[in-house]
Amino acid sequence: KAGVTQTPRYLIKTRGQQVTLSCSPISGHRSVSWYQQTPGQGLQFLFEYFSETQRNKGNFPGRFSGRQFSNSRSEMNVSTLELGDSALYLCASSLGESGGYTFGSGTRLTVV
Amino acid sequence: AQTVTQSQPEMSVQEAETVTLSCTYDTSENNYYLFWYKQPPSRQMILVIRQEAYKQQNATENRFSVNFQKAAKSFSLKISDSQLGDTAMYFCASIIQGAQKLVFGQGTRLTINP
Repeated sequence: KAGVTQTPRYLIKTRGQQVTLSCSPISGHRSVSWYQQTPGQGLQFLFEYFSETQRNKGNFPGRFSGRQFSNSRSEMNVSTLELGDSALYLCASSLGESGGYTFGSGTRLTVV
Repeated sequence: AQTVTQSQPEMSVQEAETVTLSCTYDTSENNYYLFWYKQPPSRQMILVIRQEAYKQQNATENRFSVNFQKAAKSFSLKISDSQLGDTAMYFCASIIQGAQKLVFGQGTRLTINP
């Protein structure tokens, strides 16, 4: 069965712009989470959605937002990009916490 | 607060050797799950093994096994008969039941040498 699909794989944006990243979970998975990975901060939790509702949010500024659609696909948006937003953004989907999360290959965002 | 610590930034072993990666965690909760993930250069995080905190028996998946010491809050990963394809970053992670949020350690870069 298809895995977690993230698009695009690479993105270059200019400071001040906004960006939207997309994630399609494994069929049947209703939970979708987003993580930011940087060399300095490691892997940090952004937010989690289940059935179109945000259930948990990490400690990120309001410029980071997300949503989930009725087909469980999710998008995250970052507005007013800063150089420090350059990172690998990973999406993960799950049936439930005990089974673990399946990750996509990520979107590499570079802000210049 | 929930924290996960991996004290070995890098490790290197010869092919076919056994290697153990260390992980300690801290939580005041009783119901949680622990995981080891592998991230090769392709960037995709791959679930290696998982452990339910309420289970005393250590999880095993083929060449991968864990040593779960709940009282010590330790969760180490043992890789037996290591292979070149095991070269990757390894992350230890925990999740509290109901929190929907994985907390990761800083990772251990493992290199398997031919």
